[in-house]
Amino acid sequence: GAGVSQSPSNKVTEKGKDVELRCDPISGHTALYWYRQSLGQGLEFLIYFQGNSAPDKSGLPSDRFSAERTGGSVSTLTIQRTQQEDSAVYLCASSFQSGTEAFFGQGTRLTVV
Amino acid sequence: GESVGLHLPTLSVQEGDNSIINCAYSNSASDYFIWYKQESGKGPQFIIDIRSNMDKRQGQRVTVLLNKTVKHLSLQIAATQPGDSAVYFCAEKSQGNLIFGKGTKLSVKP
Repeated sequence: GAGVSQSPSNKVTEKGKDVELRCDPISGHTALYWYRQSLGQGLEFLIYFQGNSAPDKSGLPSDRFSAERTGGSVSTLTIQRTQQEDSAVYLCASSFQSGTEAFFGQGTRLTVV
Repeated sequence: GESVGLHLPTLSVQEGDNSIINCAYSNSASDYFIWYKQESGKGPQFIIDIRSNMDKRQGQRVTVLLNKTVKHLSLQIAATQPGDSAVYFCAEKSQGNLIFGKGTKLSVKP
C-alpha cells in the first residue's frame, strides 16, 4: 500500500473483553513499531519488530498486552481483558531499515467502557 | 521544550516569526534523530532527520541542530505559519528502537 494502514480506526469495547488491532506496514519495510498515545500526551513505546530478530517487548505495560508479526509483514496487537486505562490511540509505524525515518499510520482509537 | 507534569509545554509565536523547539534526549549512544509533527487526530508526520555525525541539517523552512555534548536537539522553523500549529516530537534511535520525547505544542497567532 501507499502508507501504513491501521484497522479499525475506532474501537469501542466493554471492560474485560479482548481486542485485536491490526497494522499493515509499507511493503518492504523491515521494522515495525507500536506506540500508545493517551489524550494530550506523548507516544509511549510498546513493542518493536526488526526483520526476523526477536522483538523488543520492553514497553509492553502488562502481560495482558501482546503482539505478533506474521511473515514479516502484518502485525496484530492484542489486549486481553481490557481495562478503562487501556483507552488511548494505538499508533503503528514502519521503516525500511532501523536507521531510517519511520512512517506512521493514522492510529486506532480504543475506548473501553 | 521540557515536559512539566502531565501537560505538554506550549510555545506561542506570532505568524511570521521564527520558532525554536527544544528537546533533551536521553541516550548518548543514539545515532539517529527525527523530528515529527502531529496535527490533531492524525498520526505523526516526518519533518526532518539528522545523524549523529552531523550537528546541523537544513530543510525547507526547517533546521535541526544537534548538540551531542549536552544531548540536546532543536528544531527551528522560519517564518512560522498558521499551518505549523501542531504538536512537535523529537525521537531518538538507539539499536533500532525509536523512542519519543514528551512533545511541545506550537501555537501560531495570526
